[in-house]
Amino acid sequence: NAGVMQNPRHLVRRRGQEARLRCSPMKGHSHVYWYRQLPEEGLKFMVYLQKENIIDESGMPKERFSAEFPKEGPSILRIQQVVRGDSAAYFCASSDRNTGELFFGEGSRLTVL
Amino acid sequence: GDSVTQMEGPVTLSEEAFLTINCTYTATGYPSLFWYVQYPGEGLQLLLKATKADDKGSNKGFEATYRKETTSFHLEKGSVQVSDSAVYFCALSYGGSQGNLIFGKGTKLSVKP
Repeated sequence: NAGVMQNPRHLVRRRGQEARLRCSPMKGHSHVYWYRQLPEEGLKFMVYLQKENIIDESGMPKERFSAEFPKEGPSILRIQQVVRGDSAAYFCASSDRNTGELFFGEGSRLTVL
Repeated sequence: GDSVTQMEGPVTLSEEAFLTINCTYTATGYPSLFWYVQYPGEGLQLLLKATKADDKGSNKGFEATYRKETTSFHLEKGSVQVSDSAVYFCALSYGGSQGNLIFGKGTKLSVKP
């Protein structure tokens, strides 16, 4: 029974490039959350999605960041024109309902050179 | 705004020692409180939770009591093992939703044989 799958686990980008991080929720889960963990910091909520809908994006930076969770396929967190400050671990979590327990993936570690 | 403050690590203990990791919170309402654990190379896992004042969460020998009067949710274990070495995160959320979690910075625990 596969858990939350994130890929790539490690991603290196140069400033100005685009980064795409993918998250496949646990089977049967339709709620996906993205969190960012900066060095020496706790996780910060970014966005909450259900299939084809963004429910809460209050933690998303206003520019360059976007997220989607299409009807088919994984959730995607997209960062355009990356800067060094985007270097962080990005964690995805899923649940089967809004009040359900969150299950986290192993994270995707983005390094911007 | 709402926040979670944890004792800074790293914490190094010998096997069978008593563990306390302090966690206090600032909240405008009545949140649910959580402890998550992140083992090396893995995603976060829910360790225990409490949803209202005076509730005690427990799991795998760990305990934490929701103290409204001191706005605290300290994590304790009577006898730690090497396998407990991990990073521990205290968190809060509102409204029954576990999705929009507010995390502390995490406390790294190392247990020596």
